[in-house]
Amino acid sequence: KAGVTQTPRYLIKTRGQQVTLSCSPISGHRSVSWYQQTPGQGLQFLFEYFSETQRNKGNFPGRFSGRQFSNSRSEMNVSTLELGDSALYLCASSLKPTGELFFGEGSRLTVL
Amino acid sequence: AQSVTQPDIHITVSEGASLELRCNYSYGATPYLFWYVQSPGQGLQLLLKYFSGDTLVQGIKGFEAEFKRSQSSFNLRKPSVHWSDAAEYFCAVGFSGGYNKLIFGAGTRLAVHP
Repeated sequence: KAGVTQTPRYLIKTRGQQVTLSCSPISGHRSVSWYQQTPGQGLQFLFEYFSETQRNKGNFPGRFSGRQFSNSRSEMNVSTLELGDSALYLCASSLKPTGELFFGEGSRLTVL
Repeated sequence: AQSVTQPDIHITVSEGASLELRCNYSYGATPYLFWYVQSPGQGLQLLLKYFSGDTLVQGIKGFEAEFKRSQSSFNLRKPSVHWSDAAEYFCAVGFSGGYNKLIFGAGTRLAVHP
């Protein structure tokens, strides 16, 4: 069974640009969550989608958004990039709403 | 607000030695508790989880953890560490109604000496 797939794995952007990250969950998993990992702030919850609906959101500015498609694939978007957005963005899928998450390898974003 | 504390940022043990990684949480009710492991350049992998019931839970790779309500702790243990256990370990808290929103600790980086 294929795991969680995130694309792209690495990307470099400049301040003010926007970026879209993609996540394909494990087959059959309808929940997709996104987390940001930085050396300073650690792992922080961004949002969760289930059946195309956002059902939980973390404490991030509106520049961070996401969506989920009918096939459960998810994208997250960050607009007007800032240097502080440089991070590893992790996607996780789940069968259950209880925190048992299966993580992808992440998309490492560098903002210059 | 919920929070998770991992007091040890970095731990070094010798191969074959026992291991205990500490985790304390702050939450008004009984939370869901997890330990995840992250190897360099990888995502996180679930080691074990606690929802309710038996306070000693077994996980993968020979790890176990014990929930102690009186101490608000969920420490991870392994009787004999292998070199391949070198990684970063994260304790996390979830809660009923929170779905898959987890609060993570800052992590403990484990180094294993041969």
